[in-house]
Amino acid sequence: SYELTQPPSVSVSPGQTARITCSGDALPKQYAYWYQQKPGQAPVLVIYKDSERPSGIPERFSGSSSGTTVTLTISGVQAEDEADYYCQSADSSGTSLMFGGGTKLTVL
Amino acid sequence: EVQLVESGGGLVQPGGSLRLSCAASGFTFSSYSMNWVRQAPGKGLEWVSYISSSSSTIYYADSVKGRFTISRDNAKNSLYLQMNSLRDEDTAVYYCARPEDSYGEDAFDIWGQGTMVTVSS
Repeated sequence: SYELTQPPSVSVSPGQTARITCSGDALPKQYAYWYQQKPGQAPVLVIYKDSERPSGIPERFSGSSSGTTVTLTISGVQAEDEADYYCQSADSSGTSLMFGGGTKLTVL
Repeated sequence: EVQLVESGGGLVQPGGSLRLSCAASGFTFSSYSMNWVRQAPGKGLEWVSYISSSSSTIYYADSVKGRFTISRDNAKNSLYLQMNSLRDEDTAVYYCARPEDSYGEDAFDIWGQGTMVTVSS
């Protein structure tokens, strides 16, 4: 079955840039979405259609795509950005959605 | 205020059934497709099922196909998930999620608070 692969964890110091990758064979054909989830809370959409930012999401959040990999970049990381981040996309047929395994972002 | 409120979770024995509900308010429910997403304790997000605005198109994750049934009642602004033949691995918080169409039909912009389903003997 189709899978999206993320690194389990990423650590950065405040003010640095965090990059979280997500790989999947169908990503050249399907948009990717990124969610932030803090403990005990529902996920929050932070990037849609690979690189667009929803209203209300800080400009330090950005997304990019290259081949079978999409990347969430958080520039000037702040302590409040510490959370789990999930990519989401569809399989090549568009009939099945999936999430990546999630990446825990630790702000040192 | 746009809001989704799930209910119906609880403790059920393996092989049992449960019906989850999601009450929508603050928007025109009948204009939006809807999804169920679940999260096992300490684990990641898992998409469960999709239903189009008119119920004409329905999709399921392989892990629940043949056991779960998604439905909706646009007159009642409600989404449902009928879960049968429940297994231990179905234990999770179940969220209903609504896309923001301007962001893409797969962009889940509105989430409920979730309802906990525990499958255990």
